[in-house]
Amino acid sequence: AQKITQTQPGMFVQEKEAVTLDCTYDTSDPSYGLFWYKQPSSGEMIFLIYQGSYDQQNATEGRYSLNFQKARKSANLVISASQLGDSAMYFCAMREATQGGSEKLVFGKGTKLTVNP
Amino acid sequence: DTGVSQDPRHKITKRGQNVTFRCDPISEHNRLYWYRQTLGQGPEFLTYFQNEAQLEKSRLLSDRFSAERPKGSFSTLEIQRTEQGDSAMYLCASSLVGGPYGYTFGSGTRLTVV
Repeated sequence: AQKITQTQPGMFVQEKEAVTLDCTYDTSDPSYGLFWYKQPSSGEMIFLIYQGSYDQQNATEGRYSLNFQKARKSANLVISASQLGDSAMYFCAMREATQGGSEKLVFGKGTKLTVNP
Repeated sequence: DTGVSQDPRHKITKRGQNVTFRCDPISEHNRLYWYRQTLGQGPEFLTYFQNEAQLEKSRLLSDRFSAERPKGSFSTLEIQRTEQGDSAMYLCASSLVGGPYGYTFGSGTRLTVV
């Protein structure tokens, strides 16, 4: 079963408008972390924002905010005032413990965001 | 620090050849991860090092794959007898135990097996 689900393969937004990228997750662990990464066509994964499962407030980082709804197991990324440079793939990821006692990131399939001028 | 460096950026190889990729993590980071990303998918975990010890390996890492991190510094990922299905982006990430929650990724090595 997929642990991270991103249901929007592609999204389009006009420059300067806000856009929401959806992410739902599945875990039975009470302690977990949720991440959003941006991947431009050059390939590097750029960390955007983090939300811990026990954080009381939604995370914000500049133009990025995370709409965390724990009961619904959703962690949607909101990008305000979109810029042309925001065009990229966006991945939601969850940190989970491994059997060996370490941790790893589990990623969704991503959403391709295109910002139109 | 210049972040996580990966070399080469691109590699084209013939089926059956061996290839080796290198990752230089952020110097103070003691955790190092390798991920594989195929077209249209998110990255998938391959293996994890804490310092020089390889503590975790995914089932995706077949016997043809081997990773090392001598002296807990840079890491190499070798693929022997490459197959077309090995064509993917190989991403390296590092983090610090007890440090901030972020994982810093490199730019990846894109492998094409022809």
